[in-house]
Amino acid sequence: DSGVTQTPKHLITATGQRVTLRCSPRSGDLSVYWYQQSLDQGLQFLIHYYNGEERAKGNILERFSAQQFPDLHSELNLSSLELGDSALYFCASSPRTSGGYEQYFGPGTRLTVT
Amino acid sequence: DQQVKQNSPSLSVQEGRISILNCDYTNSMFDYFLWYKKYPAEGPTFLISISSIKDKNEDGRFTVFLNKSAKHLSLHIVPSQPGDSAVYFCAASALGNTPLVFGKGTRLSVIA
Repeated sequence: DSGVTQTPKHLITATGQRVTLRCSPRSGDLSVYWYQQSLDQGLQFLIHYYNGEERAKGNILERFSAQQFPDLHSELNLSSLELGDSALYFCASSPRTSGGYEQYFGPGTRLTVT
Repeated sequence: DQQVKQNSPSLSVQEGRISILNCDYTNSMFDYFLWYKKYPAEGPTFLISISSIKDKNEDGRFTVFLNKSAKHLSLHIVPSQPGDSAVYFCAASALGNTPLVFGKGTRLSVIA
């Protein structure tokens, strides 16, 4: 158990809808990272927050947004969903300010868009 | 453009033998490398890392080797155990400041 929690575990929704994925980092970790893993792909970095502030952005679509709250939990909002958004979404946390070192991953949320 | 490549999608090894997982990278700015292991229905778990100032790092049954001139790293697992069966991801960053870039993974099956 990494200490990172993600909810929900599974989500099934229709095209055009909006969903929110939630992540709680390990106790004491100020950094939260979001990744997308599509079929047969590696983990694609989406966005990094440190102590409530956005630190780095990857290939995150404009339809996606994220935020980190004062209690350090983070939410990833996906809107106008398309079939291609179906994927595993992982959250990770670390105590570091930069994203290039060890990160601790949650179990993921599997999103299916029908 | 894939900056971190794991060219073998799968690998099968007998229990007790050595498993060697390979990873190539193209970005010469990468100087920190990590291996993660992932079981089904779980998130990736950090396994071992290496900085570019070293060419080898060992942790128990796991050893990572780095060949900077060839832009290649490998993970050796000796001896392999059935519990090692998982997908292994290689990841890299530049100066620790850039986000981790992951390969697509290699599925290791250790056969008893």
